[in-house]
Amino acid sequence: EIVMTQSPATLSVSPGERATLSCRASQSVSSNLAWYQQKPGQAPRLLIYGASTRATGIPARFSGSGSGTEFTLTISSLQSEDFAVYYCQQYNNWPSRFGQGTKVEIK
Amino acid sequence: EVQLLESGGGLVQPGGSLRLSCAASGFTFSSYAMSWVRQAPGKGLEWVSAISGSGGSTYYADSVKGRFTISRDNSKNTLYLQMNSLRAEDTAVYYCAKVAVEYQLLHEFDYWGQGTLVTVSS
Repeated sequence: EIVMTQSPATLSVSPGERATLSCRASQSVSSNLAWYQQKPGQAPRLLIYGASTRATGIPARFSGSGSGTEFTLTISSLQSEDFAVYYCQQYNNWPSRFGQGTKVEIK
Repeated sequence: EVQLLESGGGLVQPGGSLRLSCAASGFTFSSYAMSWVRQAPGKGLEWVSAISGSGGSTYYADSVKGRFTISRDNSKNTLYLQMNSLRAEDTAVYYCAKVAVEYQLLHEFDYWGQGTLVTVSS
């Protein structure tokens, strides 16, 4: 089974700053990786799929990169609505697995 | 507009059973695989089970294999999760999620329901 590891667990960022979140797979998942945003009391929302393609309606300040085992989600200039928990998910092999999440909080 | 509405959650004793439902609308239900994903209180997301659009293929996480059964009724646009032999560690919000790519089982999830809470406790 593929294990997904996200870092850091918590990221403290000031509004307007750049945030960089990492996700590592225990073996290659090619580009079969998605990123989700989850706010308290809400369902997750798809941000990025195919490692780097923004989902419909997602602002351009969100970008994804990487392939194989190393992936990055970058939020170029944090807005107040971006403070949330972010999860990566691999869908290259069964079972599909999520990382443990990175909480982006206000500094 | 795609909508997914879960129901059936509640309080159940250890060893008990519960059936969750997810009513889908706004897309051709039979063309898309569906999954259940759960989230224990204060914890991360855990994929639970998946089913193909036809219902002919199913997958389960090891943690629920042999206890949970996923199914669907395409005539009713409804997804189900039958949960038996429930344990305290099954306590979670259960989300149904639509796979983004038609006729593909393993892909990202583009729509999620709002979730239904299952609490296993005596």
